[in-house]
Amino acid sequence: EAGVTQFPSHSVIEKGQTVTLRCDPISGHDNLYWYRRVMGKEIKFLLHFVKESKQDESGMPNNRFLAERTGGTYSTLKVQPAELEDSGVYFCASSSGLRPTQYFGPGTRLLVL
Amino acid sequence: SQQGEEDPQALSIQEGENATMNCSYKTSINNLQWYRQNSGRGLVHLILIRSNEREKHSGRLRVTLDTSKKSSSLLITASRAADTASYFCATDPLRAGNNRKLIWGLGTSLAVNP
Repeated sequence: EAGVTQFPSHSVIEKGQTVTLRCDPISGHDNLYWYRRVMGKEIKFLLHFVKESKQDESGMPNNRFLAERTGGTYSTLKVQPAELEDSGVYFCASSSGLRPTQYFGPGTRLLVL
Repeated sequence: SQQGEEDPQALSIQEGENATMNCSYKTSINNLQWYRQNSGRGLVHLILIRSNEREKHSGRLRVTLDTSKKSSSLLITASRAADTASYFCATDPLRAGNNRKLIWGLGTSLAVNP
């Protein structure tokens, strides 16, 4: 079974530009989560999809962040326009049904200059 | 404020020794999970302990949970150089509905010296 994959692995952009991160969950997992770790701080929850619906987006920092999961398969997280404080590692995770274990992807390392 | 706080922040031991990491949290939980992150890699799920469990084992890992103290410990026995990584505890807070966000600590950086 393939694990959670994320693309790209690294992204370096300039302030004001747009970046789109992609996450492919484990096949069949309804639940998809986005987390972020800013350097020196703890990993923080961004949002949770159940299939294509946003179950909880309480962790989204502001309206420069837009997450989608059209069709309930892969998800994208767009940051537009990117700011310096958006730099960090963005993790995606997925889980199956009501099972509590979340499986994480390798993360996308975003650097905004 | 963060839910989980790991202690110590950094730990350096010799191969073969045991490593103990602690985690404290603030609110009632459904379960507590431990993850490992090797340098520059993703988070790997190690073990999950439910709120009604007090101890769980998986290979060389032993996890305890004390809900009265809101704390957990992760013991790695007979450590190996390959255990060098950051270890995180994450709590699944008790809440209504299907909201499943994990709350994380800063992690413990473990170095196992050969």
